[in-house]
Amino acid sequence: QQQVKQSPQSLIVQKGGIPIINCAYENTAFDYFPWYQQFPGKGPALLIAIRPDVSEKKEGRFTISFNKSAKQFSLHIMDSQPGDSATYFCAASPNYGGSQGNLIFGKGTKLSVKP
Amino acid sequence: KAGVTQTPRYLIKTRGQQVTLSCSPISGHRSVSWYQQTPGQGLQFLFEYFSETQRNKGNFPGRFSGRQFSNSRSEMNVSTLELGDSALYLCASSRAQGSGNTIYFGEGSWLTVV
Repeated sequence: QQQVKQSPQSLIVQKGGIPIINCAYENTAFDYFPWYQQFPGKGPALLIAIRPDVSEKKEGRFTISFNKSAKQFSLHIMDSQPGDSATYFCAASPNYGGSQGNLIFGKGTKLSVKP
Repeated sequence: KAGVTQTPRYLIKTRGQQVTLSCSPISGHRSVSWYQQTPGQGLQFLFEYFSETQRNKGNFPGRFSGRQFSNSRSEMNVSTLELGDSALYLCASSRAQGSGNTIYFGEGSWLTVV
């Protein structure tokens, strides 16, 4: 069964801390791994994404680390701010003969950054 | 550039009724997909449309259906509503098919079934 397992469920850090959210997958057909941020009452918004041929990608304060052999990837948020408080979802997309397939989401991590 | 627009934003329906939700993708986007979000199950893929054809379908009963029009706008329909259908229904669009095309979500339609 296609699954993406995400941990932790919730995370509390102090301002300036570096929260780390981890995800693991099983299906080697996955070839695109995006992270989404969702604020209450809003739809998920793409933060950053990575493909399995890259081990790390940085965009501003957000970094994805990818371990293809372990089938794991993680999101690091540098110098976290109270405005980063949101729910974060990892996802994976299979590439079935070029079709978009679908995004398979982790269960989400509710991040709270304390001032 | 306008984002993905979903209507209605909020609605309350009675068990057994049916509901139609609408989605206007970002201009120029031809792929539209739908997701259901609930506290228990999280975000789950419903179906994907490209060029008016359903390309992929998630594991949902036949009560859930959708369609896409020639202008890429999409609708999804849920018939014979059940209490468990209460959820946030999210529409997403991307420029084309193919893994890696950035998928943009709308703000969703909140459905409550009573």
